[in-house]
Amino acid sequence: DAGITQSPRHKVTETGTPVTLRCHQTENHRYMYWYRQDPGHGLRLIHYSYGVKDTDKGEVSDGYSVSRSKTEDFLLTLESATSSQTSVYFCAIRLNRNTSYEQYFGPGTRLTVT
Amino acid sequence: LAKTTQPISMDSYEGQEVNITCSHNNIATNDYITWYQQFPSQGPRFIIQGYKTKVTNEVASLFIPADRKSSTLSLPRVSLSDTAVYYCLVGDILITGGGNKLTFGTGTQLKVEL
Repeated sequence: DAGITQSPRHKVTETGTPVTLRCHQTENHRYMYWYRQDPGHGLRLIHYSYGVKDTDKGEVSDGYSVSRSKTEDFLLTLESATSSQTSVYFCAIRLNRNTSYEQYFGPGTRLTVT
Repeated sequence: LAKTTQPISMDSYEGQEVNITCSHNNIATNDYITWYQQFPSQGPRFIIQGYKTKVTNEVASLFIPADRKSSTLSLPRVSLSDTAVYYCLVGDILITGGGNKLTFGTGTQLKVEL
C-alpha cells in the first residue's frame, strides 16, 4: 500500500460546512494526487502535487483546494461542501521512478454531504 | 492528453483468456500505456505498463501494435477473483512538475462467471 493512509475514512457533513480530508504517506514520494469517484464517471483527478508547495489543478478542481506544506501530507479542502461533492475520495502517490507511472492508492474516504 | 476508448463491459468464464482492447488514436510519441484494476470499495491497483510491442508480468500481458493506436490487456485463465473494473491510461510518464498527470476513463467492467 506504499504507506498511504487517509483520514477520516467516513464522514457525513452538512451543506455549507468546510471539510478537510487528509492523505498521509510515509515513503517520501514526490507526487501525490486526489481523485473522486462517482458512479458512471470512473475516477476524476481533482488536484495533484509534484512537491512541497507545488500543486496543480486536475479536471474537476472547482470547489476544492489543496495544500502540501510537507512531503508526507496532502490535504484536500472543501471550503463549503455541497451535495454534489458527495463521493468517494481517493488519494494516490506515484512511485519515484522516471521509467514507470505506477500509482498506489489509499483506502478511500467516503464523504456524504446532506 | 490522449483520449482512450474501452468497452463498457465484458463477460467471461473461469479458465478463459480475456482480452480487453483500448483505443487511443491520438497517442503521442512520448506516451506510455498503463492499465489498472479496481475492485469494489478499493482504490485502483497498477497492473502493467508498456510503450510498444509486448510486455508480460506475472499477472497479465500487454500487446501494443506498431502504430500504437490501440493496446490489448490479456488476462490468462481468469478466475472469479478477476471480476473488476479495468482502466486503460495513456500519457507521458516522463513529464515532471506541472502536467504530470494521467486521466482515468470509466473503464471496462469485467465479470467472470463459473
